[in-house]
Amino acid sequence: GAVVSQHPSWVICKSGTSVKIECRSLDFQATTMFWYRQFPKQSLMLMATSNEGSKATYEQGVEKDKFLINHASLTLSTLTVTSAHPEDSSFYICSALAGGDEQYFGPGTRLTVT
Amino acid sequence: GNSVTQMEGPVTLSEEAFLTINCTYTATGYPSLFWYVQYPGEGLQLLLKATKADDKGSNKGFEATYRKETTSFHLEKGSVQVSDSAVYFCALSQRRGSTLGRLYFGRGTQLTVWP
Repeated sequence: GAVVSQHPSWVICKSGTSVKIECRSLDFQATTMFWYRQFPKQSLMLMATSNEGSKATYEQGVEKDKFLINHASLTLSTLTVTSAHPEDSSFYICSALAGGDEQYFGPGTRLTVT
Repeated sequence: GNSVTQMEGPVTLSEEAFLTINCTYTATGYPSLFWYVQYPGEGLQLLLKATKADDKGSNKGFEATYRKETTSFHLEKGSVQVSDSAVYFCALSQRRGSTLGRLYFGRGTQLTVWP
């Protein structure tokens, strides 16, 4: 099956710094990728839809200047959390659309901001 | 709008017990319905799906039937195993042309199976 990887799998950073998370589709091309945030014991919250070669579409309430998304190629999307604060600590998950019919999810990135 | 409501967990069962996790949805049009499973420390994996009314999705002994009249997609398994312990998410997606759109997730149900 299709594989999506995320890097890093976990990261700890200091408050005020920026962190970049990569999402790669390893064996297929994805024109559309999604970024989710998951709080402990809660559902996934869609943050934004990332389309290759165009600007991301952010969900209501998500600060686009804080969560920068770049989808520069058909196999890579990045999420940069700028000026991170402790409340940004969360589990970030990406997914990629394959063949227009199914989303494949990455294993997630655990971000802890101290 | 689109939304998914799942039964709250956690659900704790003994091995070989029968499992039902309820899921109902609200949607405009004709969504596709999914069950995803998240094992500890891993990402979400598609468990099964159904794309139209009365379809039954099945995989690894799990089943769910797309019921339009009751707007439900309940997950069932006749005999659970310890290895089924995970978090289960019900989700829906609307098509945009030939492409599935964003997924709307339920809150997830933690299942723990004891030997």
